Amino acid sequence: GQNIDQPTEMTATEGAIVQINCTYQTSGFNGLFWYQQHAGEAPTFLSYNVLDGLEEKGRFSSFLSRSKGYSYLLLKELQMKDSASYLCAVVDSNYQLIWGAGTKLIIKP
Amino acid sequence: ETGVTQTPRHLVMGMTNKKSLKCEQHLGHNAMYWYKQSAKKPLELMFVYSLEERVENNSVPSRFSPECPNSSHLFLHLHTLQPEDSALYLCASSQRLAGGPTDTQYFGPGTRLTVL
Repeated sequence: GQNIDQPTEMTATEGAIVQINCTYQTSGFNGLFWYQQHAGEAPTFLSYNVLDGLEEKGRFSSFLSRSKGYSYLLLKELQMKDSASYLCAVVDSNYQLIWGAGTKLIIKP
Repeated sequence: ETGVTQTPRHLVMGMTNKKSLKCEQHLGHNAMYWYKQSAKKPLELMFVYSLEERVENNSVPSRFSPECPNSSHLFLHLHTLQPEDSALYLCASSQRLAGGPTDTQYFGPGTRLTVL
């Protein structure tokens, strides 16, 4: 079967750095997405990785290792507004999105 | 209106009721999706439409019936639902079905459905 694993919940301090991991086992790989979802709101696109390495976008960076079936989302200079769920999704060989259950990130002052 | 809109935002219905959820996308996309989101579970893909043709139906019970009259509108008709159908129902759209960076899915805010 296909599987995406993410930690259920993480806590971090305002101003700090946090890394949210995602491991996947899918039938094929055609890219990996990270989405942010605030409570009661729509998921919004954060990043897309298809090649190995780090993609940086402001305070957020996403890393991919295809050989390890592993990605992480790195959030720097955490702000209270970063409190949200972070969803990892992999595009499989049929170009279908396989979703993780999401990681709820709690930011404390 | 911009992006993807959904109405209603909240819906409470009895098991014998019939209701419909509406989704509209203002992005000029060709693919639209219905997802079910339950607490602490991955997003469950229910239906996919490409150019108004249904291309995916992930073994969804017949009490859920989708309709896509044109590429901008998507409906989910509900009848004789069960309490376990209570969830957040999300609509999304993308330029195409393929999963590349240009086919990022854009989501609406969802309808919070409670079945009594």
